[in-house]
Amino acid sequence: GAVVSQHPSWVICKSGTSVKIECRSLDFQATTMFWYRQFPKQSLMLMATSNEGSKATYEQGVEKDKFLINHASLTLSTLTVTSAHPEDSSFYICSASGRSIPYEQYFGPGTRLTVT
Amino acid sequence: GDSVTQMEGPVTLSEEAFLTINCTYTATGYPSLFWYVQYPGEGLQLLLKATKADDKGSNKGFEATYRKETTSFHLEKGSVQVSDSAVYFCALNKFNDYKLSFGAGTTVTVRA
Repeated sequence: GAVVSQHPSWVICKSGTSVKIECRSLDFQATTMFWYRQFPKQSLMLMATSNEGSKATYEQGVEKDKFLINHASLTLSTLTVTSAHPEDSSFYICSASGRSIPYEQYFGPGTRLTVT
Repeated sequence: GDSVTQMEGPVTLSEEAFLTINCTYTATGYPSLFWYVQYPGEGLQLLLKATKADDKGSNKGFEATYRKETTSFHLEKGSVQVSDSAVYFCALNKFNDYKLSFGAGTTVTVRA
C-alpha cells in the first residue's frame, strides 16, 4: 500500500515553454502532497505543500508564479514549471500523506526535467 | 529550528561488511525519526522509522534505535550486499506535523 506515481519520469523541453508534472496517490487518499526539488548529489529541498482543494503553501524563496501547484483531488497534484529555463533543470519529487497514514510521507519515483 | 546531521560520505564497503551511518538531530519536543533510501534515478523509499524514545525501527536487515539521551538515530546493517548501494537520508518530523527535515544524505557503495 501507499503507492505514489509520477508522470512523466523524464522530460526534455525547450527554454520558454511550460511543462506539467503529475503526482498521483494510487491506493490512498492524499490529503496533503509535497513537492521537492533535488540537485545532483544533494538533499531534497521542499518547494511547497498542498492540501486538497486549497492553495499551495510555498517555501521561502520559491517563486509561486513560476512553479504552479494544483491539488484538485484527493489523488492528484500537478506541478507546472512555467517559462522554463535551463536553471530549472532538476529532479522533482512529490510525496503524499493521507488520513490512513498520518504524518508519514510516501514518495513518488521522481521526474527528471531537462530544459534546453 | 529542527535539523538533522548525517555523517558525510561517500562510504565504500565490501560485501558482507558492517555498515553504520551516524545521524543526530536537533528538535524541540518529541519528533518521529526516519531513514529513507534512494536508489539511483529513483525517488525515496521509507526504510524504517521510530516514533518515540528507545523504539527500534528495522527493515531488510537494517536497524536504528531512537536515542533521546544522545539525540541520535544511527543506521546499522550487519552484512551489506551490493544491492544496498544507494543514498541514505535521515529525517525527522515533529509531532502532528507532516513536514520532514532531511539530512544531507550519505552515499553508500558496496563492492563485490
